[in-house]
Amino acid sequence: QITLKESGPTLVKPTQTLTLTCTFSGFSLSTSGVAVGWIRQPPGKALEWLGIIYWDDDKRYSPSLKSRLTFTKDTSKNQVVLTMTSMDPVDTATYYCAHRSEQWLEFDYWGQGTLVTVSS
Amino acid sequence: DIQMTQSPSSLSASVGDRVTITCRASQSISNFLTWYQQKPGKAPKLLIYAASSLQSGVPSRFSGRGSGTDFSLTISSLQPEDFATYYCQQSYSTPHTFGQGTKLEIK
Repeated sequence: QITLKESGPTLVKPTQTLTLTCTFSGFSLSTSGVAVGWIRQPPGKALEWLGIIYWDDDKRYSPSLKSRLTFTKDTSKNQVVLTMTSMDPVDTATYYCAHRSEQWLEFDYWGQGTLVTVSS
Repeated sequence: DIQMTQSPSSLSASVGDRVTITCRASQSISNFLTWYQQKPGKAPKLLIYAASSLQSGVPSRFSGRGSGTDFSLTISSLQPEDFATYYCQQSYSTPHTFGQGTKLEIK
């Protein structure tokens, strides 16, 4: 059974760096073909794809956020970490991590999401 | 980036109605198209992948079709639990963009 859960601060100040951890079970990010993605959703708005990290440590980032985003993985802990620099109030959103299926690349399992508010 | 455009943005319907939501890609994405359902305060739920494949456990009243640039999600007979927001997403090329969502409301 695959599960994922996001954790991290609920409140960050403008200009600070956000660090979120996705802890998962039921799969290994060292297995060929496996990937974990990050998605966010501002309150009342649509889903936004942030990026993805692959089993081989390859990463793809949203072009609009590439300069601010970093994904890392710790396969021994079954964790993926998102780091986003220079946080701004427009970055206030629920952040999700999700398991990406290997064949058609959809997100088949999602974490519950964590709301991050950017405010001074 | 591939742009995904859903229509309509919102839709009012009654229990028992048949409804169709469309999603158009700005370039061909083959059938790398996924549909999700999201209810307030919850994570999205996978409904349809590969444009027309029903995810395990999803009721058969949901169906998807299309390939290339034009796709649709149909709910054959709306149930009370189907009132939610629906998103399409392409996974043909990164960034794997989402549509803007279609909010399905009770009439």
